Amino acid sequence: ILNVEQSPQSLHVQEGDSTNFTCSFPSSNFYALHWYRWETAKSPEALFVMTLNGDEKKKGRISATLNTKEGYSYLYIKGSQPEDSATYLCASEKAAGNKLTFGGGTRVLVKP
Amino acid sequence: EAGVAQSPRYKIIEKRQSVAFWCNPISGHATLYWYQQILGQGPKLLIQFQNNGVVDDSQLPKDRFSAERLKGVDSTLKIQPAKLEDSAVYLCASSLVGLAHNEQFFGPGTRLTVL
Repeated sequence: ILNVEQSPQSLHVQEGDSTNFTCSFPSSNFYALHWYRWETAKSPEALFVMTLNGDEKKKGRISATLNTKEGYSYLYIKGSQPEDSATYLCASEKAAGNKLTFGGGTRVLVKP
Repeated sequence: EAGVAQSPRYKIIEKRQSVAFWCNPISGHATLYWYQQILGQGPKLLIQFQNNGVVDDSQLPKDRFSAERLKGVDSTLKIQPAKLEDSAVYLCASSLVGLAHNEQFFGPGTRLTVL
């Protein structure tokens, strides 16, 4: 993997269902992986910063895992609600204070 | 704490016209970033300032884009002349210096449509 890639590009989820999606990033020179949530017409909001292989972070119904050896992170939404509708961005940081390289995002639409 | 402010929120112009965007970062944040986010793609860094100096402008199309942060606080990004492919959301972000991780705080963006 040379770039940060996210899949799928978009997904529709029924309210109450759980879902997950992937961020793939270069495993060489890895320093940190950032997840952001970007709701329409609002500012992207930081969800997690992850650094350690096997790390798992949780914020309410949203959680994320990290595999730095194979270069991927999963983000999970449990019991999706309409307010979870947003674009979820991941970004790779290669060294402390280094610039962030973003993936294309996964656009999540939760249907009532 | 006030967040990153951007204006305008929306702008529609015709190709070959000029446009300018303004950003005011979070107070005390020395580092300021401008990103371009084209529909379906991730945000791409255009320019990074630390205080009033440019750290990285390697992806800024300098024939038409310019940016300044004269007093090390707020910043403007200008496009002159605009092309159709400049239609995008322009995001401004800021961060503190010296943290363990580059946690960036974003403004709401300016959505530019070039007709």
